Amino acid sequence: EDKVVQSPLSLVVHEGDTVTLNCSYEVTNFRSLLWYKQEKKAPTFLFMLTSSGIEKKSGRLSSILDKKELFSILNITATQTGDSAVYLCAAQGAQKLVFGQGTRLTINP
Amino acid sequence: NAGVTQTPKFRILKIGQSMTLQCTQDMNHNYMYWYRQDPGMGLKLIYYSVGAGITDKGEVPNGYNVSRSTTEDFPLRLELAAPSQTSVYFCASSYSLDTGGETFFGQGTRLTVV
Repeated sequence: EDKVVQSPLSLVVHEGDTVTLNCSYEVTNFRSLLWYKQEKKAPTFLFMLTSSGIEKKSGRLSSILDKKELFSILNITATQTGDSAVYLCAAQGAQKLVFGQGTRLTINP
Repeated sequence: NAGVTQTPKFRILKIGQSMTLQCTQDMNHNYMYWYRQDPGMGLKLIYYSVGAGITDKGEVPNGYNVSRSTTEDFPLRLELAAPSQTSVYFCASSYSLDTGGETFFGQGTRLTVV
């Protein structure tokens, strides 16, 4: 059965800290790994990763994929209160996009 | 650009009632999905479609039905609503798994069954 597991489920840090969110996956016919940020409504797209070892960056966010270990991380440096959200990891298989349960990140001022 | 449009945004149903959640996309995407998200949880796949006339079950299909008569529309039907179906429902679409696979989401439908 396809599955995606994220850790930690919840994380509370202070503004300015750096955080690392983890995602492991087991998906048949894996094609790509996606990260989304969800605040109050629909998830918004952050990154799509298809190749191992190539870091993708967008401002203070970065992500990398390890296809051998079936693992991805999302890093956020110099966190801000606006980074507070649920971060979802999803693995794209042959036909289905399978989501993890999400990491709820809270940034305290 | 409309993207993925879901209606209604909110709905309260009584146990045993039926309803259809509408979803339409104007991006000519082949792949369409219905997810449900329970409080504090990730998204669970209910049904998906890889093209007009083709649908398949996801992780949690019981109590739901779908159809895909056109590329644009992918309605989700609840026949006999139960309290366990109280959730937020998201419709999503993507063009092709091979060309990038970014999945676009509708704004969600919050359904309460009482």
